Parts: sequence; structure tokens; C-alpha cells
Amino acid sequence: NAGVTQTPKFQVLKTGQSMTLQCAQDMNHEYMSWYRQDPGMGLRLIHYSVGAGITDQGEVPNGYNVSRSTTEDFPLRLLSAAPSQTSVYFCASSYLALTGGRNNSPLHFGNGTRLTVT
Amino acid sequence: DAKTTQPTSMDCAEGRAANLPCNHSTISGNEYVYWYRQIHSQGPQYIIHGLKNNETNEMASLIITEDRKSSTLILPHATLRDTAVYYCIVGRRYGNKLVFGAGTILRVKS
Repeated sequence: NAGVTQTPKFQVLKTGQSMTLQCAQDMNHEYMSWYRQDPGMGLRLIHYSVGAGITDQGEVPNGYNVSRSTTEDFPLRLLSAAPSQTSVYFCASSYLALTGGRNNSPLHFGNGTRLTVT
Repeated sequence: DAKTTQPTSMDCAEGRAANLPCNHSTISGNEYVYWYRQIHSQGPQYIIHGLKNNETNEMASLIITEDRKSSTLILPHATLRDTAVYYCIVGRRYGNKLVFGAGTILRVKS
């Protein structure tokens, strides 16, 4: 059971370059989200999705785009990278509703992508 | 969503109980208390959650005060592997769109 898989693990970009951080989950979770974590700080929500074709903004959406064409995948796109986007990015997923006898739906996190923008 | 207040850091001796406090005085009636931890820059890991009753699972116990304005996460027999940042979060049912604060750094020492 792979859980939440993020690729790449590490990435270095130059200012102005674009790239896509990949996130895939194999648990059939409806909900997926992206967080960023800066040194000594908690996680801040960038974007989230409650199902295929539906996305919404979190606390810090500027500079990032997302799409959700399938249940399994939720890529995060940086259109023009800036040094302020140097961070560790985490993808998380969960069920949206308490069905099938579940009494909770915790967030499952990937192991992160460490991005440096020079 | 209600905000939480946690101590910046705590130490605990290996084998002893670790009691991590959290204040959430503005919690509303339909909000749950969630605890996650993050070990050495890995992705956060779910520990436990509760609404108003005390909860226990294989990892920890959660004690919520009667007025629900504070809670305590208890790791009954802390080990070195429990050294991590512990996040107390208040959120709606299903616990999806959670807001993570700075958390408490727990250092378990031998």
C-alpha cells in the first residue's frame, strides 16, 4: 500500500522557471491538499480539492496553480518560481465523508518535496 | 476555525508519560480537537482526535476538559522515537481543511 506519493523528493529551480510537483494517492480519497512548511513554522494550506474537477484556495495560494482531473492525482504547478517559494511541500489526502463504518478520516501525508529557488 | 496555543517545547524522560497541553478557548460546539506529530521533517502523522469525551488508542490518550477549552495529549511511556513536533489543531468533523500552528517540540531524553 503506497499511500501518498510525492515526486520529486528534491528540486532546485532558478528564479522564473516553472515546474510541477506531483502527488498521487492510491486510497481512493476524495480530499487532497497541498501545504508548504517553512523553517520553524507550521504547515500552511496552499490549495485543496474535494473531488475530481473541484479545487479551491487555502491560506497562501498566490503563485501556485492546481488541477484535479482524476481522484488519484493532484499536481501543484509553479508557473514562475520565486525565492520566496523555497520551502518543503507536503501533499495530504483523506476521505471526505464518514462512510463504510469509518469513525474518523485523518489526513495522510506524503514525505514532502524539498524545493529551493535560487 | 478556532486557534490553539501550545508550549514551544517540552522535555520528557524516556519511559515516563509525556503530557502535552493545548489551549483552545474559542472552540465552537461542532469543532473537534486533532493531534498530529511530525518526526524529523517527515510528513505529519495522525495521532488521535476527540469532540468532548476522552479518547484512547494504541498511540496515545486525549483528555478534553469539560468546558472543552483545553486538552492534554498523553503518551503513556515515551520513547526516544517519540521525539517530534506535536500539533494540536481544532477543526470541523472529517478533519480535512486543517490549520497547523507551530506546535510543541517534544524531546524525549534517555
